[in-house]
Amino acid sequence: EVQLVASGGGLVQPGGSLRLSCASSGMTFSDYWMTWFRQAPGKRLEWVASIKQDGSKIDYVDSVKGRFTISRDNAKSSLYLQMNSLRPEDTAVYYCGSGAGWYVNLWGRGTLVTVSS
Amino acid sequence: VMTQSPDSLAVSLGERATINCKSSRSVLSSSNNRNYLAWYQQKPGQPPKALISWASTRESGVPDRFSGSGSGTDFTLTISSLQAEDVAVYYCQQYYGAPVTFGQGTRLEIK
Repeated sequence: EVQLVASGGGLVQPGGSLRLSCASSGMTFSDYWMTWFRQAPGKRLEWVASIKQDGSKIDYVDSVKGRFTISRDNAKSSLYLQMNSLRPEDTAVYYCGSGAGWYVNLWGRGTLVTVSS
Repeated sequence: VMTQSPDSLAVSLGERATINCKSSRSVLSSSNNRNYLAWYQQKPGQPPKALISWASTRESGVPDRFSGSGSGTDFTLTISSLQAEDVAVYYCQQYYGAPVTFGQGTRLEIK
């Protein structure tokens, strides 16, 4: 079965850091762009960052530039999101997804990040 | 900016449901004549599921009662005969370029 599973979420204080991981199975990970999205409680989906197959192209939403870093390890079929200087407004369920370019046709189960003192 | 209408919709089983999505800028590429517009379905507690890409191309396994149409800035998702399992929130998304953006969602319920 093709699937993506995000992990690494939790409760963190404002200004803290977390590293999210996304493990893939049943697919050739290195064939796909990978993307992180998030969804705050009761809010619309928000694109966070995307990375090309070989890591040569990376894009971020303005609100996380300079604080978040997306990366991938094709040998481990894994995607990462290093989140620093976290703010309460970063509280959300974070989803990883795969696809072609910025279009994502496979979404993984999310992981909840809560930023609160 | 992507704007969907209506915000919520109640339709009887077997009836047609129509959701609209308007983009503040064209998502039609002049280089390949393709609309960079997708539709997703999200049920409570689940990740979104891709339904349609390129404005009108159904993903594999998506029932043919789901169809997408439109071009440029105005798009429509139609469910031709509503089934109970279609109760969900539906989102449109433009993926013409970064930042990728979503509509606010349309909640579809059974009347």
